[in-house]
Amino acid sequence: DTAVSQTPKYLVTQMGNDKSIKCEQNLGHDTMYWYKQDSKKFLKIMFSYNNKELIINETVPNRFSPKSPDKAHLNLHINSLELGDSAVYFCASSPIRVNYGYTFGSGTRLTVV
Amino acid sequence: AQSVTQPDIHITVSEGASLELRCNYSYGATPYLFWYVQSPGQGLQLLLKYFSGDTLVQGIKGFEAEFKRSQSSFNLRKPSVHWSDAAEYFCAVGAYNTDKLIFGTGTRLQVFP
Repeated sequence: DTAVSQTPKYLVTQMGNDKSIKCEQNLGHDTMYWYKQDSKKFLKIMFSYNNKELIINETVPNRFSPKSPDKAHLNLHINSLELGDSAVYFCASSPIRVNYGYTFGSGTRLTVV
Repeated sequence: AQSVTQPDIHITVSEGASLELRCNYSYGATPYLFWYVQSPGQGLQLLLKYFSGDTLVQGIKGFEAEFKRSQSSFNLRKPSVHWSDAAEYFCAVGAYNTDKLIFGTGTRLQVFP
């Protein structure tokens, strides 16, 4: 029973392509997040949704568009992929805001060539 | 602005030795503090967290951390390290009125037999 699952685990694609990463949580949490981990392991928040409503949108290029069809799902669509988008993308969820800490997915390693 | 500093990029210890990983934070209000561990190719797992109360908190896998407000620190400790503890460790800070965690840059722990 995976609590936060992401697909795919690995994604290799060419520059200029459009790709999506899917995330699902079965914990009943209200809040979901996307974090980006760069090659130096630095983690930075990209987006946060609470019960399908966008509550955090950090300074992320508008080529990145999150979508939350329901509170158990948060997908990330990326248009016109660039080399600098190569990173590991983590989905996470929490019961209510940050108070209880996050439960992370295992990550999606995106490589743009 | 919130920030987290992990001064040690890489630490090497012998199996059975004690461990202390340093974390300093900068935050104007009462912080929520977390330690996460990331094994290679995996997501982040919550080790322990501090909200209030007893400044010494116990976590999973035999880890503990002590909150010292006067030093703005939340150092992670373990009395006897096991080879399976080799991983990347992240300190993070949040607050009751925010939906995001700010992560440190991580400390890579290597354990020698």
